[in-house]
Amino acid sequence: QSVLTQPPSVSGAPGQKVTISCTGSSSNIGAGYDVHWYQQLPRAAPKLLIYRNTNRPSGVPGRFSASRSGSSASLAITGLQAEDEADYYCQSYDSSLKGYVFGSGAKVTVL
Amino acid sequence: QVQLQESGPGLVKPSQTLSLTCTVSGDSFSSDNYYCSWLRQPAGKGLEWIGRLYSSSGISDYNPSLESRVTMSLDTSKNQFSLRLNSVTAADTAVYYCARARVVGGVDYGMAVWGHGTTVTVSS
Repeated sequence: QSVLTQPPSVSGAPGQKVTISCTGSSSNIGAGYDVHWYQQLPRAAPKLLIYRNTNRPSGVPGRFSASRSGSSASLAITGLQAEDEADYYCQSYDSSLKGYVFGSGAKVTVL
Repeated sequence: QVQLQESGPGLVKPSQTLSLTCTVSGDSFSSDNYYCSWLRQPAGKGLEWIGRLYSSSGISDYNPSLESRVTMSLDTSKNQFSLRLNSVTAADTAVYYCARARVVGGVDYGMAVWGHGTTVTVSS
């Protein structure tokens, strides 16, 4: 069971907007620790998509955005494209566990 | 461009020790401060963080669920960091990744560089 909670799957038609939630607790996101998001394409290693809650690394399209509030964070994909079909993971630090924690991953399907 | 490459046996017998090495190319540990992590992913499942080393101090943090079996080490002269996992069982079968996060002023900027992953199977 993952420390951070994500929906198992989300889907949308091309061009639509989808949102993935990531719910934590007072020992991780709620404690102020940053949230990072990763995209894992099929049969590939994860890729950093968003760092420190809202920042896109160079090369990540602007249709990916993220926010954070309280003990939760969310990732939004606007203008969904077929190439966005992947698993998306949120990650933070947990002060009780003294290490990184991940969400269980959300599979995005483009209808 | 910085690259990470995992290496090690793809098959380990139950009760033995899994040993993997991550080699960093295109950069060196002396260039900045990093958290060097090992993670794993069983087939069809999510990511599990195993542990991390802080490059400037060598201090490590481990996943509490694995802490009794894990040792990580850093060899800056070879630009490598390593993982040892003792007393393995079939439950340790997974793709193992190494990854690196830059740390600036004590702030973690996320794992921006990952290896391609190496499959380790625990079986007799």
